[in-house]
Amino acid sequence: DAGVIQSPRHEVTEMGQEVTLRCKPISGHNSLFWYRQTMMRGLELLIYFNNNVPIDDSGMPEDRFSAKMPNASFSTLKIQPSEPRDSAVYFCASSLFGGPSYEQYFGPGTRLTVT
Amino acid sequence: SQQGEEDPQALSIQEGENATMNCSYKTSINNLQWYRQNSGRGLVHLILIRSNEREKHSGRLRVTLDTSKKSSSLLITASRAADTASYFCATDARENTDKLIFGTGTRLQVFP
Repeated sequence: DAGVIQSPRHEVTEMGQEVTLRCKPISGHNSLFWYRQTMMRGLELLIYFNNNVPIDDSGMPEDRFSAKMPNASFSTLKIQPSEPRDSAVYFCASSLFGGPSYEQYFGPGTRLTVT
Repeated sequence: SQQGEEDPQALSIQEGENATMNCSYKTSINNLQWYRQNSGRGLVHLILIRSNEREKHSGRLRVTLDTSKKSSSLLITASRAADTASYFCATDARENTDKLIFGTGTRLQVFP
């Protein structure tokens, strides 16, 4: 198995631009998580899905952030418009069973820089 | 807000020495997990210990859990340079089992 796949690995964009991050979870996994990691705030859970349905998006910082999971093999995290404070590493993770009480498999992350 | 807080924030040791990292949390849990993150990489799951377990081993890793003190420790024995990474504890919370909340991490540097 290729593991969790994220693209792009690096993204540099200007303030105000739309950014779309992509994730392909491990085949057969039912849960998908989006995290953001910064030096100041550590690793934060933004949103997670069970069986393609968003369960908890309380970690999404504001309306500029949105996430979708149109099918079991693909999810996107969109920021529109982007701001410099959105600069961070964004991780996608998946797990076999629903809920966070099970081992999560992380992708390599997308390093986002907003100038 | 973060459930887990690791201690120390940073740790430097020589190869062959043991490394001990501690994690404290605030609310009752169902289980606690430890993850490793190499620089520039995603997190990798190391071990999961349930609230009714007190100790668990996996290779050179030993994890203990003290629910009365709301704390856990990760011991890496006979450390290697390849163990250099950040280590995070993560917990769910009985009051809110929907989320896995990560601590602040311990940066471990193992010198050859």
